[in-house]
Amino acid sequence: EAGVTQFPSHSVIEKGQTVTLRCDPISGHDNLYWYRRVMGKEIKFLLHFVKESKQDESGMPNNRFLAERTGGTYSTLKVQPAELEDSGVYFCASSAAWGAPGANVLTFGAGSRLTVL
Amino acid sequence: SQQGEEDPQALSIQEGENATMNCSYKTSINNLQWYRQNSGRGLVHLILIRSNEREKHSGRLRVTLDTSKKSSSLLITASRAADTASYFCATHGQGAQKLVFGQGTRLTINP
Repeated sequence: EAGVTQFPSHSVIEKGQTVTLRCDPISGHDNLYWYRRVMGKEIKFLLHFVKESKQDESGMPNNRFLAERTGGTYSTLKVQPAELEDSGVYFCASSAAWGAPGANVLTFGAGSRLTVL
Repeated sequence: SQQGEEDPQALSIQEGENATMNCSYKTSINNLQWYRQNSGRGLVHLILIRSNEREKHSGRLRVTLDTSKKSSSLLITASRAADTASYFCATHGQGAQKLVFGQGTRLTINP
């Protein structure tokens, strides 16, 4: 079974530019999460999809961040325009539907490191 | 905030010794989980303990949970160089579907 795949693994952009991160969850996982870790601090929740619907987007920092999951498969997280404080590692994770075995456990991708100069 | 806080932030021990990491949280939980992250990789789930459980074992891992103190500990026995990683606790709140992570403990095992 393929794991959670994230692309790109590392992106370096200038302030004001746009970056789009992509996450391919484990096939069949209804739940998809985005998290971010900045400068060795805590891993912060950004948002949660259940299939194609946004279940919880309380962690999104501001309207420069836009997440989509069209068709309920892969997801994208776009940052436009990027600011210096957006630098960090963006993790995607997925889990099975609630009530299914293992639904409480998240499988993470390797992360996308974003550096904004 | 339900955010977990790990203690210590960094721990360095000799191979073969036991490593203990602690985690505190602030609100009621459904379960608490520990994850490991090796440098440059994603987080890997280690163990889950439910709110009605007090202790759980998995191989060289032992997790305890004290809901009255809102704290948990992760013990790694007979540490190995391969255990070098960052360890995070994460909580699932009552009725919440997201996991809330702490800052992590950076564990270094010296050969």
